[in-house]
Amino acid sequence: NAGVTQTPKFQVLKTGQSMTLQCAQDMNHNSMYWYRQDPGMGLRLIYYSASEGTTDKGEVPNGYNVSRLNKREFSLRLESAAPSQTSVYFCASSEQGDSYEQYFGPGTRLTVT
Amino acid sequence: QKEVEQDPGPLSVPEGAIVSLNCTYSNSAFQYFMWYRQYSRKGPELLMYTYSSGNKEDGRFTAQVDKSSKYISLFIRDSQPSDSATYLCAMTWTGGFKTIFGAGTRLFVKA
Repeated sequence: NAGVTQTPKFQVLKTGQSMTLQCAQDMNHNSMYWYRQDPGMGLRLIYYSASEGTTDKGEVPNGYNVSRLNKREFSLRLESAAPSQTSVYFCASSEQGDSYEQYFGPGTRLTVT
Repeated sequence: QKEVEQDPGPLSVPEGAIVSLNCTYSNSAFQYFMWYRQYSRKGPELLMYTYSSGNKEDGRFTAQVDKSSKYISLFIRDSQPSDSATYLCAMTWTGGFKTIFGAGTRLFVKA
């Protein structure tokens, strides 16, 4: 039982490049989330998916898109990376709607130069 | 003003000390109050959560919520070097998908 997995672990991009961060969970959870974590800012919600087939914006969605591919997988895409998107990105999942018990992946460290 | 305020520390204590970590918040709609622990270069893990006001104890950890003051606390008794981590408070409301996190407090427990 791997829990929440994320790929890649590390990535360096040049400004303007695109990439997709992958996330998968094996706990049969309905809801999934993408956060970014910056020093002094805590975790901020980028997008979430309440259930398979639905996605909604969080606090900081600009510059990102998401896809809930199936119940297990939730991907985050940066279409044209900017230095302001340098951050650590975490994917999380929860069993159902109430998001008080979330399980996090190990994170992706992204640097945009 | 941030919705959730948390002192970033760092907080350094000797092994065996009682640690008190705190957060204040401004949104009275919050109903669930959580504490996550995050080790360096790892993802956060849920320590415990409390619904509405009151206390909750789990081993060496006690969470307190005072909704009248919009103030929550996490107490760690008999602190151990393995407790050295960043502690994040977090809050949400019933049926809410958007959890608001504090910035985290870095704790160091010295052997």
